[in-house]
Amino acid sequence: DSGVTQTPKHLITATGQRVTLRCSPRSGDLSVYWYQQSLDQGLQFLIQYYNGEERAKGNILERFSAQQFPDLHSELNLSSLELGDSALYFCASSVEGLGNGELFFGEGSRLTVL
Amino acid sequence: QKEVEQDPGPLSVPEGAIVSLNCTYSNSAFQYFMWYRQYSRKGPELLMYTYSSGNKEDGRFTAQVDKSSKYISLFIRDSQPSDSATYLCAMSGNSGGSNYKLTFGKGTLLTVNP
Repeated sequence: DSGVTQTPKHLITATGQRVTLRCSPRSGDLSVYWYQQSLDQGLQFLIQYYNGEERAKGNILERFSAQQFPDLHSELNLSSLELGDSALYFCASSVEGLGNGELFFGEGSRLTVL
Repeated sequence: QKEVEQDPGPLSVPEGAIVSLNCTYSNSAFQYFMWYRQYSRKGPELLMYTYSSGNKEDGRFTAQVDKSSKYISLFIRDSQPSDSATYLCAMSGNSGGSNYKLTFGKGTLLTVNP
């Protein structure tokens, strides 16, 4: 158990809908990362937050947004969903946010868009 | 050319075999090199971590980094069925002022047969 909690584990929704994925980082970790994993693209970095502020942005679509709250949990919002958004979404956390340390991953949220 | 290339396999070996997993990369700014292991339906977990060039050994696992060739390897000695998983290489470095993004290979699926 990595200590990172993600909910929900599975989500099935329709095109055009909006969903919110939630992540609680390990106790003491200030940095939260969101990744998307699909068979053809592998693990793609979406966005990182450090202590409530956006630190780095990757291949995140404009339809997607995220935030980190004062209690350090984070939410990833996916809107106007398309079939191609079906993937595993992972949250990871680390103590600092320099990208050169160990990331602890949650078990992921599997999103299926029908 | 992708920043990180990794042969997806699948790779199937008998128990006790020596396994060699490899990644190549194109970004010379990468300085931190990692191997993550991902079991089915789980999040990735850090297996090995190396800074710059050289070798690092941890039990049955050895990580090698050759920055001159932009090539990293993971060797698994005396492989066990419990080593069956997807192995992802990952790397990061100070690129364009941002060293926060961890770039992953697509992963190699390894099966160790008893």
